[in-house]
Amino acid sequence: DVKVTQSSRYLVKRTGEKVFLECVQDMDHENMFWYRQDPGLGLRLIYFSYDVKMKEKGDIPEGYSVSREKKERFSLILESASTNQTSMYLCASSLPGSTGELFFGEGSRLTVL
Amino acid sequence: AQTVTQSQPEMSVQEAETVTLSCTYDTSENNYYLFWYKQPPSRQMILVIRQEAYKQQNATENRFSVNFQKAAKSFSLKISDSQLGDTAMYFCAFMKHATGNQFYFGTGTSLTVIP
Repeated sequence: DVKVTQSSRYLVKRTGEKVFLECVQDMDHENMFWYRQDPGLGLRLIYFSYDVKMKEKGDIPEGYSVSREKKERFSLILESASTNQTSMYLCASSLPGSTGELFFGEGSRLTVL
Repeated sequence: AQTVTQSQPEMSVQEAETVTLSCTYDTSENNYYLFWYKQPPSRQMILVIRQEAYKQQNATENRFSVNFQKAAKSFSLKISDSQLGDTAMYFCAFMKHATGNQFYFGTGTSLTVIP
């Protein structure tokens, strides 16, 4: 079974702190994604990566950056956390050009005080 | 741009009954995929069912089936014999054909199965 593991299920941070959310997948998937999930807004794409060291902006990249130094790991970085970044963050992976099933992690719920 | 609309924020159904969740989408693409994902409370999101737009036959997976109306751009999910474990958030999603990376999600429908 594909496994997508997010390093932290729950985090509480203070405004202005730098926050790292880590995601690791074990199925050698080329594509990896970071989504933000908010009630009534569904899933919104922050960034995705289709290869090591490659990244593409999604719909809401402002305030976020990403890093993909190894194929299995995709990190989301909040350089200076703000209260409006309090949310559920979902990592996912998939194979390129396939029928496109996304495999999701369990999510990281971030609260910024 | 592609949009996916789920007009039912919340629904409930009695255990063992049938429920239908609605989804409409807007696209100018001819080849694409549609998905229903399930997110149980505090658990990870999983794929429920997938439909290729070029296939006329509606997809089925055990108690889950879809009603795909391509001309109407409608993609509803029917859950038969509802079980308590079906309680979850359900998301409809659209993917451009073979891109593997351009997904568009609806806002979700929260389904509660009542014992």
